[in-house]
Amino acid sequence: NAGVTQTPKFQVLKTGQSMTLQCAQDMNHEYMSWYRQDPGMGLRLIHYSVGAGITDQGEVPNGYNVSRSTTEDFPLRLLSAAPSQTSVYFCASSQLSGTSGYNEQFFGPGTRLTVL
Amino acid sequence: AQTVTQSQPEMSVQEAETVTLSCTYDTSESDYYLFWYKQPPSRQMILVIRQEAYKQQNATENRFSVNFQKAAKSFSLKISDSQLGDAAMYFCAYRSLGAGSYQLTFGKGTKLSVIP
Repeated sequence: NAGVTQTPKFQVLKTGQSMTLQCAQDMNHEYMSWYRQDPGMGLRLIHYSVGAGITDQGEVPNGYNVSRSTTEDFPLRLLSAAPSQTSVYFCASSQLSGTSGYNEQFFGPGTRLTVL
Repeated sequence: AQTVTQSQPEMSVQEAETVTLSCTYDTSESDYYLFWYKQPPSRQMILVIRQEAYKQQNATENRFSVNFQKAAKSFSLKISDSQLGDAAMYFCAYRSLGAGSYQLTFGKGTKLSVIP
């Protein structure tokens, strides 16, 4: 298994450009999420999904769109990049559990995005 | 909403010595999970240890152990026999226990340096 993969690893954008960060997992996990990591801020949840066709907002969703058409993929779209979106982005996935229980979240290697 | 606080932005430890990283959290829930994640310079998020709040026994994983004080809402990480490879950012994280709760709430992190 490749686990959680993210592409690209690095990206530089100009203000106003759009782009999609790709995330894929091969573990058949229903839950997928996107976090951003800023210096001194820890990781903050942007959007998440509990299955194909189901997405919801996290703590910092503004400026980002997501969709979930397949179990494997969960792309994050920046429609009009801003310097405030300069950050490291992590995708994570885990199984869902029918009742409350622990399933480890697996993180991708991250994408470092710079918006000039 | 839950909050996680790591009050030590940076710490250092001599190789082979013991170091304790602090974490406090705020929640109104009685059941939840707590985690420590390690992020080395490679950026990869690595789960170090987890604790279920309903378990009174402190979790241990080899050289890593926690001191979980539920009443005080404190969750510290002790690293024994510190090694150069332990140098990293360490994040404390919280997750609700209820079914459908998968989001992680992270602290801002503690940067640990290991001195040879």
